[in-house]
Amino acid sequence: EVQLVQSGVEVKKPGESLKISCQGSGYIFTNYWIGWVRQMPGKGLEWMGIIYPGDSDTRYSPSFQGQVTMSADKSIDTAYLQWSSLKASDTAIYYCVRQGVRRTAGIYYYYNMDVWGKGTTVTVSS
Amino acid sequence: QSALTQPASVSGSPGQSITISCTGTSSDVGGYDYVCWYQQPPGKAPKLMIFDVSSRPSGVSNRFSGSKSGNTASLTISGLQAEDEADYYCSSYTSINTLVFGGGTKLTVL
Repeated sequence: EVQLVQSGVEVKKPGESLKISCQGSGYIFTNYWIGWVRQMPGKGLEWMGIIYPGDSDTRYSPSFQGQVTMSADKSIDTAYLQWSSLKASDTAIYYCVRQGVRRTAGIYYYYNMDVWGKGTTVTVSS
Repeated sequence: QSALTQPASVSGSPGQSITISCTGTSSDVGGYDYVCWYQQPPGKAPKLMIFDVSSRPSGVSNRFSGSKSGNTASLTISGLQAEDEADYYCSSYTSINTLVFGGGTKLTVL
């Protein structure tokens, strides 16, 4: 079964650092891009960016560039999302997804997200 | 990049058909055939229902269909069932090489 297994609930204070994980199984992890999606409490979905575990090529949404860091360890089929200094506004559920990407004439087109993790709930509060 | 525009809510009775719209611009929905639809039941992760405007992943009921005209994409659910009650989100590739979601539509089955 193809699945993405995410790390558990996190409760942090403002200013603390955090790294959450997403482990893939049931498919060749290094052959697919992994994306991250934020859902703030009671709100909609926001696309944060993607990483290719095969070579760690990373592309961020302008809204999240500089706010988070995506990384991957292909030896253990795991992708990560990290913050160096959390803010209360980072409180949200973070989903990792298997992101479909097509490359045509040197341009990468992002289309579907066909596998979703269950989400990691991050609460930042003093 | 602004979120795509979806109605906040739609409703229908069991057996009826409903359509959810998703309006963007020529820089996203209208410019590319990379529109997807996701279903998110309460308290659960989203699930891919439609990709490439009108294609269904394996295992998704054929009661779900997608289409596009100009800058507006649509999701139609026919033969509405109680289990269809959920939030629905559209998404599209954009000309600035990102992906954007709609604001979401809450479907209520009466």
